[in-house]
Amino acid sequence: ETGVTQTPRHLVMGMTNKKSLKCEQHLGHNAMYWYKQSAKKPLELMFVYNFKEQTENNSVPSRFSPECPNSSHLFLHLHTLQPEDSALYLCASSQDIGNIQYFGAGTRLSVL
Amino acid sequence: EDQVTQSPEALRLQEGESSSLNCSYTVSGLRGLFWYRQDPGKGPEFLFTLYSAGEEKEKERLKATLTKKESFLHITAPKPEDSATYLCAVQAGGGSEKLVFGKGTKLTVNP
Repeated sequence: ETGVTQTPRHLVMGMTNKKSLKCEQHLGHNAMYWYKQSAKKPLELMFVYNFKEQTENNSVPSRFSPECPNSSHLFLHLHTLQPEDSALYLCASSQDIGNIQYFGAGTRLSVL
Repeated sequence: EDQVTQSPEALRLQEGESSSLNCSYTVSGLRGLFWYRQDPGKGPEFLFTLYSAGEEKEKERLKATLTKKESFLHITAPKPEDSATYLCAVQAGGGSEKLVFGKGTKLTVNP
């Protein structure tokens, strides 16, 4: 398998649930990103990891908790979400920070 | 604050009817301007990067151009399979490296 793979593709959760989104890149890249895409809004950068180290947290609420165990894997742990958190969550990777970013297909999250 | 404005929000074309999408930007020191294509239910797919005013890049029916204030994505003789949302993003210099995206232009090409 090549590229950036995200699982699950769709997720429905209640406000009290805890779930995790997974991203895996098979491109040998060093940097990974989480974005949020809501209807009628531009993509919003959430987190940036470079060589497993978090380099940017774009004022994201603490109910979103990222984890990057190695350069190929990135997780987004979710807990106590709000309905306004419903969106498409996209993972991306790049060779290094500042290079072209390649995106996964996203996880469509619905919070009830 | 870095900003990207794309116009129009939506565009309907007949097959073969050429047109252009606009991306206006304000950024403190442009490091690069990126065009992506996004199909429904999928992530953005990289198309082009432009780095300096006057630069042009082409891929099949698409041609991207860059000035100091805006970029155009020209679509020549489009086909229905060109239907997608086209996203523009800028990357500022100065160490931040993050991409600032516009809201996109949704293109529909009718057969």
